[in-house]
Amino acid sequence: GAVVSQHPSWVICKSGTSVKIECRSLDFQATTMFWYRQFPKQSLMLMATSNEGSKATYEQGVEKDKFLINHASLTLSTLTVTSAHPEDSSFYICSAPQTGRKYEQYFGPGTRLTVT
Amino acid sequence: AQSVTQLGSHVSVSEGALVLLRCNYSSSVPPYLFWYVQYPNQGLQLLLKYTSAATLVKGINGFEAEFKKSETSFHLTKPSAHMSDAAEYFCAVSGISGGGADGLTFGKGTHLIIQP
Repeated sequence: GAVVSQHPSWVICKSGTSVKIECRSLDFQATTMFWYRQFPKQSLMLMATSNEGSKATYEQGVEKDKFLINHASLTLSTLTVTSAHPEDSSFYICSAPQTGRKYEQYFGPGTRLTVT
Repeated sequence: AQSVTQLGSHVSVSEGALVLLRCNYSSSVPPYLFWYVQYPNQGLQLLLKYTSAATLVKGINGFEAEFKKSETSFHLTKPSAHMSDAAEYFCAVSGISGGGADGLTFGKGTHLIIQP
C-alpha cells in the first residue's frame, strides 16, 4: 500500500523559534496533501490543503503567516511553524490521496511538536 | 458544510462481544464516509469507506459499517471484539469533491476499551 512519512516524528523547540515538518509520499505522487492538527485526546482538525505548484489553501481561523506550507515537489510538502508558542504544541498529521484511488487518503504517522 | 457526530467518547465491551460505534453525519451533498483507527502514538489507518456503492461496507479486521441515508448514520460494527481492537476510532466525511480532492472532517473520536 501507499506510504506517507513524516519527519521528524518528535520535536521540541523553544518559544519564538521556527520548526519545519516534512511530509513525503514514498511510493506515489501527490499533487495535493492535507495538514491536520490534533490536540491531546481530541479529533483531527484540517488546517490547510497543500497544492503542488500553487499556494496552499487554509481553513478558516488558521493563520497562514504562522503556518507556512510549501509543496516543493510531487512527493514533498513542508509545514513550517513560525515564531512558535506553547499553544502551538500539538500533533501534526499530513495525508495524501493517491492518484487513481480517489476516495482513499493515506496518513503519515504524525509529528509531535512541543514548544517550551 | 459537513459535520460528524460520534456518540460516546468511550465505549467499553467485553472480549467476544459485539462492538457498535455510532456515527451520524451532516452533509449538503451526497457524502463519502470513512472510519479510521488510531493506535497510541501512531497515524490513522483506514478501516473502511463508503463511496456511494453498496450501503453495507466491509472493511479490515472484521469491521463493517452500514450507510443509512434516512438516519444520516454510518455506524461501525464488529461481531466479536478482540483485545487488539482497543484503540481510538474516528468517523470522517469528505468534502464536496470527494475524499481525494478534499480534506476530511472528523468526528471527535470514540475510545474503544475491551474488557477481558
